[in-house]
Amino acid sequence: DAKTTQPTSMDCAEGRAANLPCNHSTISGNEYVYWYRQIHSQGPQYIIHGLKNNETNEMASLIITEDRKSSTLILPHATLRDTAVYYCIVGGTSYDKVIFGPGTSLSVIP
Amino acid sequence: GAVVSQHPSRVICKSGTSVKIECRSLDFQATTMFWYRQFPKQSLMLMATSNEGSKATYEQGVEKDKFLINHASLTLSTLTVTSAHPEDSSFYICSAVPGLAGGQYFGPGTRLTVT
Repeated sequence: DAKTTQPTSMDCAEGRAANLPCNHSTISGNEYVYWYRQIHSQGPQYIIHGLKNNETNEMASLIITEDRKSSTLILPHATLRDTAVYYCIVGGTSYDKVIFGPGTSLSVIP
Repeated sequence: GAVVSQHPSRVICKSGTSVKIECRSLDFQATTMFWYRQFPKQSLMLMATSNEGSKATYEQGVEKDKFLINHASLTLSTLTVTSAHPEDSSFYICSAVPGLAGGQYFGPGTRLTVT
């Protein structure tokens, strides 16, 4: 079973920040938080990952709470092309198998 | 970087025939690749872990004799669906791991339709 809980769906206005929450209360000390997204009928795309510090890359920012029991993925200026299902995954190294939950279906609205 | 390709992108085959799907890491070597299956409106379901030079590890409920996986080189893993039936129709996706950290990189997927 997936170790994370995410809202089923969210809407975001184009140009605004999209904040996608994820609960992972059973995360263990050596587990990372990974975010992927899947645009309809395509393979998933890696977005970002983190252990305990906040992380930022060209796609998004990842904010992890101090107790590591939850995190938020931030898309700073959402575009229509960001409409996708976003998956929050907790796991070890990249070599560990990934169990996908249902994710959050994000709709960016013009 | 970290590009993964799959071939074919879509295939239609008749019931009882076998279909081979290729997964290639184009700009990195991958000792580990994963195979997933996705039915309409569902999430990805892990089928097996493919390790270069050794036998694949299958998830519970996945028939290893039906879904043959061969990871013969550091850039290529193949999934063969043997004696395909209509219920095998699905979206098959592979992923490859370029390094210890940084997540998995996924191929674009192969849509299999068995008639």
